[in-house]
Amino acid sequence: EPEVTQTPSHQVTQMGQEVILRCVPISNHLYFYWYRQILGQKVEFLVSFYNNEISEKSEIFDDQFSVERPDGSNFTLKIRSTKLEDSAMYFCASGPADTQYFGPGTRLTVL
Amino acid sequence: EDQVTQSPEALRLQEGESSSLNCSYTVSGLRGLFWYRQDPGKGPEFLFTLYSAGEEKEKERLKATLTKKESFLHITAPKPEDSATYLCAVLIYNFNKFYFGSGTKLNVKP
Repeated sequence: EPEVTQTPSHQVTQMGQEVILRCVPISNHLYFYWYRQILGQKVEFLVSFYNNEISEKSEIFDDQFSVERPDGSNFTLKIRSTKLEDSAMYFCASGPADTQYFGPGTRLTVL
Repeated sequence: EDQVTQSPEALRLQEGESSSLNCSYTVSGLRGLFWYRQDPGKGPEFLFTLYSAGEEKEKERLKATLTKKESFLHITAPKPEDSATYLCAVLIYNFNKFYFGSGTKLNVKP
């Protein structure tokens, strides 16, 4: 059964550094999403992506964040200058229009 | 403001003791309501999508129902392996984003 995959599983970085989180969505899906989950808190929507452009973004998704689909398979989330409060699990999801399947997540730790 | 509220926050059951989890929502233009299961340190696992009031979906010991204001996830004769956090999320018309509730953490004791 196809799955969403994410790399790395754990990323440790220093405050102010740039990080790129990578996702490989399920191949025939058209909608892509990034979420974050701070430890013990709810899953928070960051951004949705369709037809090679952002379709929705939340207030969290400020100028420090960007997403790309550099080729036919990868979907990336870049954080330009990480802050301590960016420490969280980041989940990628993909799906057809009305549902989504999540990857296993990347745990980002900002020191 | 669109809201999704889940209750209870935590639920402890004995194996075989049936119960229900609640997800209430106040959104304008519900397009779909989704239930997920999340195990510690893992991504949410899709369970059900419900689209309209009166709809029901079943999978093994789980049954999800939907009204105009809330959804219930009924767990019949749960087993310890059903222990997880159950999340609900809503998708509203004209917006391609999902709003998640805070989840109900279910613990089933043998």
